Amino acid sequence: DQQVKQNSPSLSVQEGRISILNCDYTNSMFDYFLWYKKYPAEGPTFLISISSIKDKNEDGRFTVFLNKSAKHLSLHIVPSQPGDSAVYFCAASANFGNEKLTFGTGTRLTIIP
Amino acid sequence: DTAVSQTPKYLVTQMGNDKSIKCEQNLGHDTMYWYKQDSKKFLKIMFSYNNKELIINETVPNRFSPKSPDKAHLNLHINSLELGDSAVYFCASSPQTTYEQYFGPGTRLTVT
Repeated sequence: DQQVKQNSPSLSVQEGRISILNCDYTNSMFDYFLWYKKYPAEGPTFLISISSIKDKNEDGRFTVFLNKSAKHLSLHIVPSQPGDSAVYFCAASANFGNEKLTFGTGTRLTIIP
Repeated sequence: DTAVSQTPKYLVTQMGNDKSIKCEQNLGHDTMYWYKQDSKKFLKIMFSYNNKELIINETVPNRFSPKSPDKAHLNLHINSLELGDSAVYFCASSPQTTYEQYFGPGTRLTVT
């Protein structure tokens, strides 16, 4: 039972344009969401997070949007750069202190120069 | 000055053997984790330790035994290895009061 879904296994975007990565979840108890970025042969690295009390969080070129009613979140990267080419994982957690993260299966983003 | 380190990076072994993977973090974090990423790239939590105490154990076969000698180390011992244990295993750590987890580089285990 996959509670966090990333339905696009891959995405290609031209350098300088906007990259939009999507994530859906089914568990209404999730109240904290994170995006991780992973390069080959490395561990995932934390990118940005959002709490369910917000609908948007921005950090430089990265913005995460949360639509609780649709159980959907998205990561926007503007402008996209070649170094952004990586696999992006969406993750969710149910309650503060639980610390158990449920991950999606990832989306491979390729930035075309 | 690697924050979360794992050894070995690659491990090839035969079915039935016993092996260990070591993890160390120098971030001063209280909580450490083991994750398994299978062939479908699904990253799933196996164990979590907080200050050397087990707090999460996710329906993992008891052939897998985590050991935390101190809060900076969480080792994973696997007995009687099976083909299905082939995967990439990631160690991670986090401060007690945040969800943000810091991952090690992973150990690719291949069981033949």
